[in-house]
Amino acid sequence: QVQLQESGPGLVKPSETLSLTCAVSGYSISSGYYWGWIRQPPGKGLEWIGSIYHSGSTYYNPSLKSRVTISVDTSKNQFSLKLSSVTAADTAVYYCARARSTGHSFDYWGQGTLVTVSS
Amino acid sequence: QSALTQPRSVSGSPGQSVTISCTGTSSDVGGYNYVSWYQQHPGKAPKLMIYDVSKRPSGVPDRFSGSKSGNTASLTISGLQAEDEADYYCCSYAGSYTSVFGGGTKLTVL
Repeated sequence: QVQLQESGPGLVKPSETLSLTCAVSGYSISSGYYWGWIRQPPGKGLEWIGSIYHSGSTYYNPSLKSRVTISVDTSKNQFSLKLSSVTAADTAVYYCARARSTGHSFDYWGQGTLVTVSS
Repeated sequence: QSALTQPRSVSGSPGQSVTISCTGTSSDVGGYNYVSWYQQHPGKAPKLMIYDVSKRPSGVPDRFSGSKSGNTASLTISGLQAEDEADYYCCSYAGSYTSVFGGGTKLTVL
């Protein structure tokens, strides 16, 4: 069974960089699929942040592209998200998920982690 | 890349059918047969219910079905049950391995 687990600080100061890691078990990232990050501000809808292929090719939401970096570490079977210059508007539950290679639907999700941006 | 448009809420009685719409553009919903639907219960992660417009993952009841016409996709839930009460989100492939979500629809089972 594929499982994903997000980890990282739950509190980040404004203007700093948010960093999260998603550990994958039950499936080797190197075997394929895309791996994505999605966020959900409290009481609001889902927003796709970006995705990465095991080769390292990255794809970002145009509205966040200037601040987002997604990377993959196949040796640790995990991938990571960095979001720079955060503000209160970046406060959200952050999910990692596996995306099908065709159609990019997200079939397995992590439980999500709340990141609050506050001084 | 603008969010897809969904009704904020829909409702139905147990046993009835409800349909949730999801409207995009020719650059996303209308341009690809890659619309997916997610169910989210409070405090839980989203769950994939429909992918590639009308395909159901293993374990999803056949009460859930999807379709698409032009720039609008739809999720129909027949034989409504109490446990179907949740938020539902559509998502469309938008080219170059990018995705765009809808704003979400709250389903209330009366």
